[in-house]
Amino acid sequence: AQSVAQPEDQVNVAEGNPLTVKCTYSVSGNPYLFWYVQYPNRGLQFLLKYITGDNLVKGSYGFEAEFNKSQTSFHLKKPSALVSDSALYFCAVRGDGGQNFVFGPGTRLSVLP
Amino acid sequence: KAGVTQTPRYLIKTRGQQVTLSCSPISGHRSVSWYQQTPGQGLQFLFEYFSETQRNKGNFPGRFSGRQFSNSRSEMNVSTLELGDSALYLCASSLEQGRNYGYTFGSGTRLTVV
Repeated sequence: AQSVAQPEDQVNVAEGNPLTVKCTYSVSGNPYLFWYVQYPNRGLQFLLKYITGDNLVKGSYGFEAEFNKSQTSFHLKKPSALVSDSALYFCAVRGDGGQNFVFGPGTRLSVLP
Repeated sequence: KAGVTQTPRYLIKTRGQQVTLSCSPISGHRSVSWYQQTPGQGLQFLFEYFSETQRNKGNFPGRFSGRQFSNSRSEMNVSTLELGDSALYLCASSLEQGRNYGYTFGSGTRLTVV
């Protein structure tokens, strides 16, 4: 069975500092990994995905994520956080044979001015 | 181009009633998926349709059903509503079915059951 863990419910970071939102996964076969962001009363917005290739994936709004197969992790990063990055972030995986996303529980990011 | 459109945005229903939610995918997208989002359970997969056929189904009771029309628009129906069905229902569309395709989500329909 596929599963995604986001070990932190909440991440607080000061504006201008680097941020990391953690994600680990469990899936059979090769993982297809995604990050989405959700603002209040809105749907999910796609940030980036890892399918194959370079372990460092660059996405929207200056975000990037590093795929680490040995640690089964896919952490989301940004070099310099903005207050407008404050939102709910979801990591998701789709594995072999699974056509639907399995989402993590979400991590609420608060960027403090 | 227009994104994924979900209607209505907000809905209040009484326990025992039924409800139908609508999703219009991005033009040209043939795959539509539905998810339920609640504070307690997070995001859970309901079902996916591709070319008018249900291709995958999550672990929800039979009260939850859906369909897809020839123009790829999709509806989901919940019968005999329960208080626990209160949630944000999200629809996502993709060009094709397959795990390497990115999905675009709509803003959702917030259903409140009283």
